[in-house]
Amino acid sequence: EVQLVESGGGSVQPGGSLRLSCAASGFIFNDPYMNWVRQAPGKGLEWIGLIRDKGGRYTTEYAASVRGRFTISRDDSKNLLFLQMDSLKIEDTAVYYCTTDSRGSPDYWGQGTLVTVSS
Amino acid sequence: DIQMTQSPSSLSASVGDRVTITCRASQDIRNVLSWYQQKPGKAPKRLIYAASTLQSGIPSRFSGSGSGTEFTLTISSLQPEDFAAYYCLQHNTYPRTFGQGTKVEIK
Repeated sequence: EVQLVESGGGSVQPGGSLRLSCAASGFIFNDPYMNWVRQAPGKGLEWIGLIRDKGGRYTTEYAASVRGRFTISRDDSKNLLFLQMDSLKIEDTAVYYCTTDSRGSPDYWGQGTLVTVSS
Repeated sequence: DIQMTQSPSSLSASVGDRVTITCRASQDIRNVLSWYQQKPGKAPKRLIYAASTLQSGIPSRFSGSGSGTEFTLTISSLQPEDFAAYYCLQHNTYPRTFGQGTKVEIK
């Protein structure tokens, strides 16, 4: 059974940093691309980025809203996906989901972790 | 960036109704579109990929159609468990972009 478990969420002040992790199990982690998607309270879904696999040289793509502030990485040896978030803004407050990628789009999703940016 | 305009933003329907949700892309995305269902407090679930291919395990009352810039998600006979929010996602071009969502409520 595919499982994705996000962790690392919490409260942080504007301008601060946070690192989210996503622990994967139940599939060959180094196979698929992986995404991060977020959802602000009461709002819709926002795709924020993706990391390709080893064959794709672990290259990344980002939404404009986070490019230059967020960094996605992965450790295939530990089945872990990361989201390093720097220079956080109030509008980054959201539930953050990690997802697998199959058939070209997010497939399995974690349960999400809440990040609150507030002074 | 490609803008995805979803309509309606909300609708009220009864059990057994046929429901159609539309997504329009600001430019041609071929058939590279997926549909998701999200229930309150839960992670989204993929229903459809490649515009019209039903995800394994999803009931056949869900169907998708369209290509280019206009797409539809149809629920042929709405069931109590289908009351939820629905989102389209284009993944033809980076950045990937979601529609703003459609909330399906009980009439």
